[in-house]
Amino acid sequence: DTGVSQDPRHKITKRGQNVTFRCDPISEHNRLYWYRQTLGQGPEFLTYFQNEAQLEKSRLLSDRFSAERPKGSFSTLEIQRTEQGDSAMYLCASSSPGTAYYNEQFFGPGTRLTVL
Amino acid sequence: AQSVTQPDIHITVSEGASLELRCNYSYGATPYLFWYVQSPGQGLQLLLKYFSGDTLVQGIKGFEAEFKRSQSSFNLRKPSVHWSDAAEYFCAVGAKGGYQKVTFGTGTKLQVIP
Repeated sequence: DTGVSQDPRHKITKRGQNVTFRCDPISEHNRLYWYRQTLGQGPEFLTYFQNEAQLEKSRLLSDRFSAERPKGSFSTLEIQRTEQGDSAMYLCASSSPGTAYYNEQFFGPGTRLTVL
Repeated sequence: AQSVTQPDIHITVSEGASLELRCNYSYGATPYLFWYVQSPGQGLQLLLKYFSGDTLVQGIKGFEAEFKRSQSSFNLRKPSVHWSDAAEYFCAVGAKGGYQKVTFGTGTKLQVIP
């Protein structure tokens, strides 16, 4: 078990460019979450996948954001026409299937996006 | 809606001193509660969690937290702080059911001085 991995770890882009981030969850985890963390704030929920289905999206996820998990394994988060306000740490988490109690979310190291 | 308040943005303690980080939550029923730690350049690491039962929860790295329903609090404590504990600490509340949404507080940054 190598944990949740994210790529790239850092991304610097110019305003108006598109960027894509990748998340590889823990292999047996069918639940995958994306969060955004801005400076001085805690992580804020963006979206949730169960297998390949995107079941929940936050109002924070504007039309410029799109997330996919095509085969129920890795996920991508794309931001189109980036704005300076998109500068943040983007965190991915995964959890195992199950119905008992709470299924702990394991977090990746994050992708830090800087929009110039 | 669930929410978490961490009233202290920044705390400084001397190495070897005791530590208490405050957390208040809002949730309609008995919540799931968590404390996470985030070191620079690192992801979030779970320190401890409360689901039910004993209100005093032990976690990793010598941390503990106490759930007080009457005060809607879940404060994190450590009897003796080490320099390596310097990091940012996040309290979080998790919803039961559905996709088990987790809502985080704004964090408390801990500085440890020698």
